[in-house]
Amino acid sequence: DAKTTQPNSMESNEEEPVHLPCNHSTISGTDYIHWYRQLPSQGPEYVIHGLTSNVNNRMASLAIAEDRKSSTLILHRATLRDAAVYYCILKYTGNQFYFGTGTSLTVIP
Amino acid sequence: AAGVIQSPRHLIKEKRETATLKCYPIPRHDTVYWYQQGPGQDPQFLISFYEKMQSDKGSIPDRFSAQQFSDYHSELNMSSLELGDSALYFCASSLLLAGGSSYNEQFFGPGTRLTVL
Repeated sequence: DAKTTQPNSMESNEEEPVHLPCNHSTISGTDYIHWYRQLPSQGPEYVIHGLTSNVNNRMASLAIAEDRKSSTLILHRATLRDAAVYYCILKYTGNQFYFGTGTSLTVIP
Repeated sequence: AAGVIQSPRHLIKEKRETATLKCYPIPRHDTVYWYQQGPGQDPQFLISFYEKMQSDKGSIPDRFSAQQFSDYHSELNMSSLELGDSALYFCASSLLLAGGSSYNEQFFGPGTRLTVL
């Protein structure tokens, strides 16, 4: 199964950009790259996804390396409400999501 | 907008008892997923259903079973409960795109916190 590697934790100052990296060197050609986040005591929520091209939505941007072996989730201006665990996920067979260890983001006021 | 509903939100059981968790997906969603998240752990995929048929199976113990009903709600049945079953159980739903696209956003419910004493 395709695996992802993320730093265990990161810190950011409030209102500054945050770049959350993810390595996925075993990604297959058809795997979408998904990012979800989990706020304390809540279920995971969708952030963004992409296949090959960089993607933007109202929450974040996703930068995908040309060889697709890594990606970076970009929060343009971190707020205190962005403090969460961020998961980079490659879908395995079928529709299963395998959550890795994720990156715990701390936002400093 | 309607979200995924899970009940109960909290459940306390004794060892060896049984528990039933319920999940009501977002209207018109056809796929339901169950995840288990132990204390300080990451969510682990248990099982999923598409159009009332089991579609994928993860690390679900044999003591657990699940099904999806005609109204698309799903129930996770847990028997012979053990202390290690204490966890947050999340249900998620999605609308599977035609052709089985590898992209389908999953919408998660608030979870059921099961405590086994």
